[in-house]
Amino acid sequence: GAVVSQHPSWVICKSGTSVKIECRSLDFQATTMFWYRQFPKQSLMLMATSNEGSKATYEQGVEKDKFLINHASLTLSTLTVTSAHPEDSSFYICTPLSQGATEAFFGQGTRLTVV
Amino acid sequence: AQTVTQSQPEMSVQEAETVTLSCTYDTSENNYYLFWYKQPPSRQMILVIRQEAYKQQNATENRFSVNFQKAAKSFSLKISDSQLGDTAMYFCAFMKPYNQGGKLIFGQGTELSVKP
Repeated sequence: GAVVSQHPSWVICKSGTSVKIECRSLDFQATTMFWYRQFPKQSLMLMATSNEGSKATYEQGVEKDKFLINHASLTLSTLTVTSAHPEDSSFYICTPLSQGATEAFFGQGTRLTVV
Repeated sequence: AQTVTQSQPEMSVQEAETVTLSCTYDTSENNYYLFWYKQPPSRQMILVIRQEAYKQQNATENRFSVNFQKAAKSFSLKISDSQLGDTAMYFCAFMKPYNQGGKLIFGQGTELSVKP
């Protein structure tokens, strides 16, 4: 299967600071990137979709100014949580998709804790 | 919009026995993909089995098999000879073809416990 690298795997930050999460597709080109958020004991909820070189499309209820997504290359996408608050504490997962893909591959996830 | 429903929040099974996890979905599409993913405590998503909607034959992967009923929009997962390592959260997921966005929609999840 395809190899996806997501970093960091966990991060603790102070309230009000920003955190950047990186997602790399190591052996394929990700024309599309999905970012999911998962709270404990809950399902994965789609936050946003981005296509390489284009602005991200955010799901209803997701603040685009808080969750900045950059997908400037076919192998790297970043999610920046700006002015983080404790309620942003969650598990974030990236899912890059190559053109014509018939299945998805996942990053290892990032556990964000805002204190 | 597509929805995926898993009606069993928790299930338990004795080691070596068989368990079936339920999943239903709603879509007006004819072409799509269905998946079962396992999420252990590490939270890494692991693909268990996949099914293309245009294939009538049920997918099988070793101890894992599905019962895909397209007309009923049902996609259940059967785990045979359950092992302790099968203990995890299981998610059913629906995916549109790439040329239609390729978005993955997940069910609520079923927490499976395999007891010795």
